[in-house]
Amino acid sequence: GNSVTQMEGPVTLSEEAFLTINCTYTATGYPSLFWYVQYPGEGLQLLLKATKADDKGSNKGFEATYRKETTSFHLEKGSVQVSDSAVYFCALRAQGGSEKLVFGKGMKLTVNP
Amino acid sequence: SQTIHQWPATLVQPVGSPLSLECTVEGTSNPNLYWYRQAAGRGLQLLFYSVGIGQISSEVPQNLSASRPQDRQFILSSKKLLLSDSGFYLCASALGEVSYNEQFFGPGTRLTVL
Repeated sequence: GNSVTQMEGPVTLSEEAFLTINCTYTATGYPSLFWYVQYPGEGLQLLLKATKADDKGSNKGFEATYRKETTSFHLEKGSVQVSDSAVYFCALRAQGGSEKLVFGKGMKLTVNP
Repeated sequence: SQTIHQWPATLVQPVGSPLSLECTVEGTSNPNLYWYRQAAGRGLQLLFYSVGIGQISSEVPQNLSASRPQDRQFILSSKKLLLSDSGFYLCASALGEVSYNEQFFGPGTRLTVL
């Protein structure tokens, strides 16, 4: 079946550090891939997405590239800020319009000043 | 874009009491609707999803149930709460069956069962 594996953390970084959160997936065909962010006490917000191989999603300084050959969608940011402290979820939605998103377990990031 | 409303925002209930959480959606019609639970420090667990009025699919057998009485209304219920029902409940909405359509999430309801 479809699945998502991501770094679980928690991870603590200093402000302006480089961030990578690894995400790999298992799915048939060409799923759409998503990164969601959850700030403390809130619901999830879509951070970025990519819908086909080699697409790069980007938003708020974050980037992720859909790599079909390595079945990966790693999230990166060159310089994190304290306001980036949150839980990050990688997710996929299978090709063909499955009703469900499949989520990774989430990774808690804390950025210290 | 879609806006998801959930209420109440927080709820403290005794074990054995009933539960009703409501979710309504604005800005779209005929969405797929979802209920997730997030236990403390853990990931998201899909509980129910619905592709239309009166159509409910259950992902996890438990003492919870869901109903969709109107196109943009989704309700999560229980007749008797358990301690293990404590958690953060999230409602989500997505358009149709196109894979690149993301899910939009509501602000959540934090439920504490004592």
